[in-house]
Amino acid sequence: QKEVEQDPGPLSVPEGAIVSLNCTYSNSAFQYFMWYRQYSRKGPELLMYTYSSGNKEDGRFTAQVDKSSKYISLFIRDSQPSDSATYLCAMTSREGAQKLVFGQGTRLTINP
Amino acid sequence: DAEITQSPRHKITETGRQVTLACHQTWNHNNMFWYRQDLGHGLRLIHYSYGVQDTNKGEVSDGYSVSRSNTEDLPLTLESAASSQTSVYFCASRPPGPYSGNTIYFGEGSWLTVV
Repeated sequence: QKEVEQDPGPLSVPEGAIVSLNCTYSNSAFQYFMWYRQYSRKGPELLMYTYSSGNKEDGRFTAQVDKSSKYISLFIRDSQPSDSATYLCAMTSREGAQKLVFGQGTRLTINP
Repeated sequence: DAEITQSPRHKITETGRQVTLACHQTWNHNNMFWYRQDLGHGLRLIHYSYGVQDTNKGEVSDGYSVSRSNTEDLPLTLESAASSQTSVYFCASRPPGPYSGNTIYFGEGSWLTVV
């Protein structure tokens, strides 16, 4: 069993929809959670970073962590065609840890 | 702007050949990483380095080696390329200090095909 599970999709939604992307994990030691966005043929870029449980909002993006369920989510409101990308979750057990564990990524397409 | 660059961006090589992928960053970050990305597996860590002369194995290090002779560069060498090493390779670096979180900056990727 992988430490981090993420549905690879693909996921296709109409412009303006609310998108929900999710990851589950098995290691209860994970405390730091990240979402990376990766455009086609580009490197991943950090989108959201959260610590422990709770919500974090940044513009149209909200990251949510439920440590009791070992479940994290990324919500995108008012989705735009420019949000079309692969979204990868990543996590680690401590601040400054050198090794992140990544989900396999969900490919998202926003249709105009 | 500081950046992280990889070369070559695309390469086709034959089985058994030695291949080196270059990675250069201008941020002066001590921490550098090499990942490979494959369908169904996501990003997997190959090797990482905390600084000059320091190298460490990641989860999929067999058949790969790195060297760190200066802060800016971490070349990845495939000793004898195999078809299973056909993949996209990403170099990454992380800022120093305890307050940078776990932010990692990735290069643009190197697409390697072994035939």
